[in-house]
Amino acid sequence: AQKVTQAQTEISVVEKEDVTLDCVYETRDTTYYLFWYKQPPSGELVFLIRRNSFDEQNEISGRYSWNFQKSTSSFNFTITASQVVDSAVYFCALSESTGRRALTFGSGTRLQVQP
Amino acid sequence: DAEITQSPRHKITETGRQVTLACHQTWNHNNMFWYRQDLGHGLRLIHYSYGVQDTNKGEVSDGYSVSRSNTEDLPLTLESAASSQTSVYFCASSGDRNTEAFFGQGTRLTVV
Repeated sequence: AQKVTQAQTEISVVEKEDVTLDCVYETRDTTYYLFWYKQPPSGELVFLIRRNSFDEQNEISGRYSWNFQKSTSSFNFTITASQVVDSAVYFCALSESTGRRALTFGSGTRLQVQP
Repeated sequence: DAEITQSPRHKITETGRQVTLACHQTWNHNNMFWYRQDLGHGLRLIHYSYGVQDTNKGEVSDGYSVSRSNTEDLPLTLESAASSQTSVYFCASSGDRNTEAFFGQGTRLTVV
């Protein structure tokens, strides 16, 4: 069975600090997909990134970057120079290419960025 | 623009009543999902559907049912609401190839 673990329940940083959110996953599939979603205080779920298991290149998008390491089954998310608007709950999720296509979510990490 | 909408946004119901939460998407996606969000658990899968007339159980399906009579809608029914079903419910849809899921705004359900 697939599983996603986000061990950090809550992180608090001061604005402009860098912060890394950890995500560790378990799956038996050789082909799978990893995702990050953001849930701001308003409650909606916002898609951030999708990465397939064959692509281990790191991804950078503005202040956001993602480090995918198959060897450690991790897909970590780093925010550089954090801002108050980054305050949200962040979810890591996994879907497998065979079987169901539903996302399995981690329990989320609440990030608070203090001014 | 294509979208996915849930209704109602808030609902208070009594224990034992039947409740139906609506989900409608205009993406023309085959895959639709219902999740519940509870503190400390993230989002947990209740039911999902890969197309018309197809429905499948997720990890927390007890006490819930869905039906898929067309591509656009996947209503979620609580047969006999229980206090343990107080939660925030999210509907989502996705395309066919493990693409990202698009989520509705959520429905906050309180069972008293």
